[in-house]
Amino acid sequence: GDSVTQTEGPVTLSEGTSLTVNCSYETKQYPTLFWYVQYPGEGPQLLFKVPKANEKGSNRGFEATYNKEATSFHLQKASVQESDSAVYYCALSDRGSNNRIFFGDGTQLVVKP
Amino acid sequence: EAGVTQSPRYAVLQEGQAVSFWCDPISGHDTLYWYQQPRDQGPQLLVYFRDEAVIDNSQLPSDRFSAVRPKGTNSTLKIQSAKQGDTATYLCASSWTGNTLYFGEGSRLIVV
Repeated sequence: GDSVTQTEGPVTLSEGTSLTVNCSYETKQYPTLFWYVQYPGEGPQLLFKVPKANEKGSNRGFEATYNKEATSFHLQKASVQESDSAVYYCALSDRGSNNRIFFGDGTQLVVKP
Repeated sequence: EAGVTQSPRYAVLQEGQAVSFWCDPISGHDTLYWYQQPRDQGPQLLVYFRDEAVIDNSQLPSDRFSAVRPKGTNSTLKIQSAKQGDTATYLCASSWTGNTLYFGEGSRLIVV
């Protein structure tokens, strides 16, 4: 079945340093890939999505490239801010599963000033 | 535009009690999802609807959990005879026939 595996948290960084959160996926279909972000007391919200292989998504300085060969979708940001502290979820959906969306377990990011 | 609205925000139950969670999706969204999110885990799909029809309820513990969306708009998720293992946040999300989900703030359930 479909699954998503991502960097185990928490990841603790200082402001201004770079971030990489690894995400690997398994599916028999051609999925759409997502990154969602969740702040305390809120539901997850879409950061960006990429429906096609070899394309890049980005938002708010975060970016990820859909690598079909490596089945990866790693999240990166060049310089994190304290306000980026949150839980980040990698997710996928595919037509073979009625477009169900499967989430990874999340990676908590803590950015210290 | 109003987002997804859920109520109640919090519930504390004794084991064996029942609870209902209500969700009002974004106006015009045809697809509605219920997810369970245990502490420190990702959301796990319980059930989802397109209009009033159940599309997938394979992950819903059917003996104690039920969900309805009778008019294809609002939805109710009910847990009967709650267990401590049901402690989690229950998230409702909606979308328009696509795959971008918009989530509500969630209903946090604690079963003691």
